[in-house]
Amino acid sequence: GIQVEQSPPDLILQEGANSTLRCNFSDSVNNLQWFHQNPWGQLINLFYIPSGTKQNGRLSATTVATERYSLLYISSSQTTDSGVYFCALYSSASKIIFGSGTRLSIRP
Amino acid sequence: GAVVSQHPSWVICKSGTSVKIECRSLDFQATTMFWYRQFPKQSLMLMATSNEGSKATYEQGVEKDKFLINHASLTLSTLTVTSAHPEDSSFYICSAPRGGAGNTIYFGEGSWLTVV
Repeated sequence: GIQVEQSPPDLILQEGANSTLRCNFSDSVNNLQWFHQNPWGQLINLFYIPSGTKQNGRLSATTVATERYSLLYISSSQTTDSGVYFCALYSSASKIIFGSGTRLSIRP
Repeated sequence: GAVVSQHPSWVICKSGTSVKIECRSLDFQATTMFWYRQFPKQSLMLMATSNEGSKATYEQGVEKDKFLINHASLTLSTLTVTSAHPEDSSFYICSAPRGGAGNTIYFGEGSWLTVV
């Protein structure tokens, strides 16, 4: 089945720093999303981005489907950005497969 | 606002009892919903795909008699943890694609289950 890998697994930054999170996948996809899981477990949609680039405030994402990766950029990090970031995509069997996640900690 | 609602958010039950968790799509019809389980500091593990009007499709290693899934309507799927044991304690979360498979996925708020 399709493999989804995220890097880095953990990231600790000072408030105000920028970061880039990566999601690699082993097969072609027509659906990729980025989520933020807050400390209470809630999963928040960030981007639906099967290809191209999107921006929403301090966050932006780029997916290069032909090279099978997606990047999530966070600029001017805030403590509220802390949590786990997941990429997820549909497999050929119409199952939603999650990456292993990047745990981001923003220190004040 | 939320487009997928999950209830309850927190539940504590005694060993041997059963617990039902509901997942509702609020403003769209969902012929398919997904149930996940998450262990501490791990990713989400797909348990089963819930299909409206038919049997759920379980992932390998997930006991269908232990985790009963019912998708009785286009807006409601339920997960029942039967004869719960402490090892069933976990975070359970559902999701649904709005507009069908391949479209934007929305998650419920999740349910923290503690079995004592």
